[in-house]
Amino acid sequence: DAGVIQSPRHEVTEMGQEVTLRCKPISGHNSLFWYRQTMMRGLELLIYFNNNVPIDDSGMPEDRFSAKMPNASFSTLKIQPSEPRDSAVYFCASSCTTFGTSYNEQFFGPGTRLTVL
Amino acid sequence: AQTVTQSQPEMSVQEAETVTLSCTYDTSESDYYLFWYKQPPSRQMILVIRQEAYKQQNATENRFSVNFQKAAKSFSLKISDSQLGDAAMYFCAFDSGNTPLVFGKGTRLSVIA
Repeated sequence: DAGVIQSPRHEVTEMGQEVTLRCKPISGHNSLFWYRQTMMRGLELLIYFNNNVPIDDSGMPEDRFSAKMPNASFSTLKIQPSEPRDSAVYFCASSCTTFGTSYNEQFFGPGTRLTVL
Repeated sequence: AQTVTQSQPEMSVQEAETVTLSCTYDTSESDYYLFWYKQPPSRQMILVIRQEAYKQQNATENRFSVNFQKAAKSFSLKISDSQLGDAAMYFCAFDSGNTPLVFGKGTRLSVIA
């Protein structure tokens, strides 16, 4: 099993540019989570999907951020336009989730380090 | 809403010694799960140990064990015989089964040779 795959691993861009982060969850997992990690705010949940449907996007900081999950094996997180304060590590995680029952272990990808100059 | 608090931003331990990382949480749920994740410099989030709230017995995984105090809503991680490879950020997390994981801010552990 390849685990959760994220690309790119590192992204450096200039303020105002569009950034797209990609995630491939573990095959068979039905939930996908996007997190942002910064020194100041720690690990924050941005949005999560269940069966490709966005369930809660209340963590998305503003309209510049958008996420899609067109199918069970692919998700994107887009920032447009990017700003220096978006610099962070963005993690994708997936799980085989049945809400309301037993715990759902999340498996994390390696993260994408985004730097906006 | 559930919250998770890690009151120790940084900790250090001598190699081969024991260290305890603290975590408290707040919830009105009665059935839930608690986790400790390790994040080494590679950034990879690694599940270290988990505890089911309905189990009174503390979870143990080799050198890692927890002290789960449900009434006090406390969930500390004990690392015995600390090794250099244990140096990392450690995150406590809460899962009610109905919402995604809620993470604490993390504790950075340094291991001194």
